[in-house]
Amino acid sequence: AQTVTQSQPEMSVQEAETVTLSCTYDTSESNYYLFWYKQPPSRQMILVIRQEAYKQQNATENRFSVNFQKAAKSFSLKISDSQLGDTAMYFCAFRTQGGSEKLVFGKGTKLTVNP
Amino acid sequence: EADIYQTPRYLVIGTGKKITLECSQTMGHDKMYWYQQDPGMELHLIHYSYGVNSTEKGDLSSESTVSRIRTEHFPLTLESARPSHTSQYLCASSASGTAALPLHFGNGTRLTVT
Repeated sequence: AQTVTQSQPEMSVQEAETVTLSCTYDTSESNYYLFWYKQPPSRQMILVIRQEAYKQQNATENRFSVNFQKAAKSFSLKISDSQLGDTAMYFCAFRTQGGSEKLVFGKGTKLTVNP
Repeated sequence: EADIYQTPRYLVIGTGKKITLECSQTMGHDKMYWYQQDPGMELHLIHYSYGVNSTEKGDLSSESTVSRIRTEHFPLTLESARPSHTSQYLCASSASGTAALPLHFGNGTRLTVT
């Protein structure tokens, strides 16, 4: 069974600063995908960034980047130049190819960006 | 923005009532999912579907049932609501072909059973 662990239930950061959210996962699969999703208060869950496990290069989307360490099964999210709109729950998620292709989620990290 | 819609957004209902949570998507996605999420907590998969007439139970045991008669529609039904069913229910869909494709989520239905 796959598991995803987010060890930081809550974090806060000052506007314009950089913050890193941690995520580790456990799997015996070799072909899988990792995602970070953002869930703003009372709003829709949206994709932030994704990483294919077979790619060594870390994914980047504007101010969001990941540090993917496959051997360590670690997938952290770095948010640069934090903005007030980044305040949200952030979920790390794991998905394997084939079968249900369900997303397995971590418990989430509540990020607050302070002005 | 993803074209996946859930209704109602909020529902307060008494114990014993039958309810149906609606989920529709206009993207032609084959795969659809129902997740249950308690406030501030992780999401647990309760049902999924690969396509029309295909439904499977997820990881979290649920007394709810689902149907998939049309590609775009994946309703969830509770025959007799109980306070333990109070939660947020999120519907999601994705295209087939590769697990690299992300899930698109609806806004969710927040259910309260009194």
